[in-house]
Amino acid sequence: GAVVSQHPSRVICKSGTSVKIECRSLDFQATTMFWYRQFPKQSLMLMATSNEGSKATYEQGVEKDKFLINHASLTLSTLTVTSAHPEDSSFYICSARPSRLAGGIGELFFGEGSRLTVL
Amino acid sequence: AQKITQTQPGMFVQEKEAVTLDCTYDTSDQSYGLFWYKQPSSGEMIFLIYQGSYDEQNATEGRYSLNFQKARKSANLVISASQLGDSAMYFCAMREVNSGNTPLVFGKGTRLSVIA
Repeated sequence: GAVVSQHPSRVICKSGTSVKIECRSLDFQATTMFWYRQFPKQSLMLMATSNEGSKATYEQGVEKDKFLINHASLTLSTLTVTSAHPEDSSFYICSARPSRLAGGIGELFFGEGSRLTVL
Repeated sequence: AQKITQTQPGMFVQEKEAVTLDCTYDTSDQSYGLFWYKQPSSGEMIFLIYQGSYDEQNATEGRYSLNFQKARKSANLVISASQLGDSAMYFCAMREVNSGNTPLVFGKGTRLSVIA
């Protein structure tokens, strides 16, 4: 099956610093990747759609200047939480689907997730 | 817009018994997929089963089966012969089908606890 790897799995940072989370598709190319955010005991909420070679598409209410997304290659998307604050503490998880399967009904493949704690 | 509703915040089931987790959905799309994912405490999302909107037969994957009732817009997950390792959060989700890759829309989830 398709493998998506996310790094780091856990990060603790001080308020005001920026944190970068990487999402890699290890054995397939993905022109589109999706970033989700999950608060404790809640569901996954789509934050943005990451598009290779172009700007990300953000969901309503998600600050694009706070959550910078870069999709520089067909196998890597990065989410940078800028000037992080305690309210940004959350579980961030990326997902993707092989570009060659675009248009199909099948599942998305998820990274392991990154747990961010901002002190 | 797509919407997934899971009305059971928590469920308990005795080990070796079957359990049904409810899911209803709303969409104006004609082509879509319905999915169930399991999320243990580690946070990883484990794909369990999916059903395409045009599939006439209910999907099955080992101990998992999806009770798809299109007219009622429901896609309940049935887990047979529950095991202690089945204790986790379960999310119902859907995605539309178009020319590209589309995101999943998730329900709020159901926490399943399997009792020995």
